[in-house]
Amino acid sequence: SQQGEEDPQALSIQEGENATMNCSYKTSINNLQWYRQNSGRGLVHLILIRSNEREKHSGRLRVTLDTSKKSSSLLITASRAADTASYFCATQQGFAGGGADGLTFGKGTHLIIQP
Amino acid sequence: NAGVTQTPKFRVLKTGQSMTLLCAQDMNHEYMYWYRQDPGMGLRLIHYSVGEGTTAKGEVPDGYNVSRLKKQNFLLGLESAAPSQTSVYFCASSTRYRQETYEQYFGPGTRLTVT
Repeated sequence: SQQGEEDPQALSIQEGENATMNCSYKTSINNLQWYRQNSGRGLVHLILIRSNEREKHSGRLRVTLDTSKKSSSLLITASRAADTASYFCATQQGFAGGGADGLTFGKGTHLIIQP
Repeated sequence: NAGVTQTPKFRVLKTGQSMTLLCAQDMNHEYMYWYRQDPGMGLRLIHYSVGEGTTAKGEVPDGYNVSRLKKQNFLLGLESAAPSQTSVYFCASSTRYRQETYEQYFGPGTRLTVT
């Protein structure tokens, strides 16, 4: 079963604008990760945020985590055409939750950056 | 470093045929995973391995078997292929510290069609 659910399912914006994607999950987690997938390619890790962190930055990426609401958001600032891809959140469940060792992925947000 | 490689890249099987997908990683990672991705879906975990000689079931293990005879290799087998196994298969590897899984490194995927 999907643990994370991304919102929106699809997002189209103009180059230079900011893009925000949200992820909600159901059980306690150790960490939450965001991945990017270009069409026909494997996933590439973007950023990991631990359950005791609230915000993390990496270049043009900003991730927030609210464990009380079981939600996370990914902000891409000053978007570029090359950011066009699908973005997935993935959670690793906390040991207390009895989670498996693998990550549980959402269905993804398909982001299109219009030039 | 090649990272994570998968062979073959594409394959077409007839119902009932068998095949093995090979995944290799050169990062000395303890953990390896097999996922499948279907249109409009996130990745679902098939099987995973926490070390040489050990494997475990993920979310959707039925119809698949795996083996990890060497630390760098993780094989996924389909004994009797079914059309429902038409999918894109991704292998991934990661390190782990205590109960936390770190970022996963993905291969380029194998596109399998079962007719």
